[in-house]
Amino acid sequence: AQTVTQSQPEMSVQEAETVTLSCTYDTSESDYYLFWYKQPPSRQMILVIRQEAYKQQNATENRFSVNFQKAAKSFSLKISDSQLGDAAMYFCAYRSVPGNTPLVFGKGTRLSVIA
Amino acid sequence: DAGITQSPRHKVTETGTPVTLRCHQTENHRYMYWYRQDPGHGLRLIHYSYGVKDTDKGEVSDGYSVSRSKTEDFLLTLESATSSQTSVYFCAISAVQGAQDTQYFGPGTRLTVL
Repeated sequence: AQTVTQSQPEMSVQEAETVTLSCTYDTSESDYYLFWYKQPPSRQMILVIRQEAYKQQNATENRFSVNFQKAAKSFSLKISDSQLGDAAMYFCAYRSVPGNTPLVFGKGTRLSVIA
Repeated sequence: DAGITQSPRHKVTETGTPVTLRCHQTENHRYMYWYRQDPGHGLRLIHYSYGVKDTDKGEVSDGYSVSRSKTEDFLLTLESATSSQTSVYFCAISAVQGAQDTQYFGPGTRLTVL
């Protein structure tokens, strides 16, 4: 079975600075998908970014980017120019191929943004 | 939000009572999921469905049952609620965006079992 580990229960960052959230995973599969979801105080789960394992290029979405290290089974999220609205719980998630298989989540990292 | 609603959004009930949570989607997605979220555990899969009347168990299925008699509704039932089932429950669907399958979540239901 696959597992996802987020080793940082809490992180903080100054507004406008950069922060990196860590995620490692364990799998014997060679192809899979990885995701970062954001959960603000509203409780809504919001997809931030996704990465296909067969793609070597790291995914980026505006101020969010990932560092995907397949051999190390590492998938970190970098948030640049942090904003107050980035304060949230962040969950790393794994999904097998084919599509539609359920997600396996890490326990989450709570990010605080300091003005 | 991919057209997903959950009802009720909040519920307080007593130990031993049956509880049914409803997930409703408007876009005819085939795959639907129920997760629960607890502090220190992230989200964990309870049950999922891959079509009408087709369901399967997840990691934490004990004490829960599901039904899907039509595409748009996926029901989660706690036959006899226990305090350990106090949690936030999320429904999700799998949707294809471009050429990619992605899961989108409903707003969640906070359930308190006293």
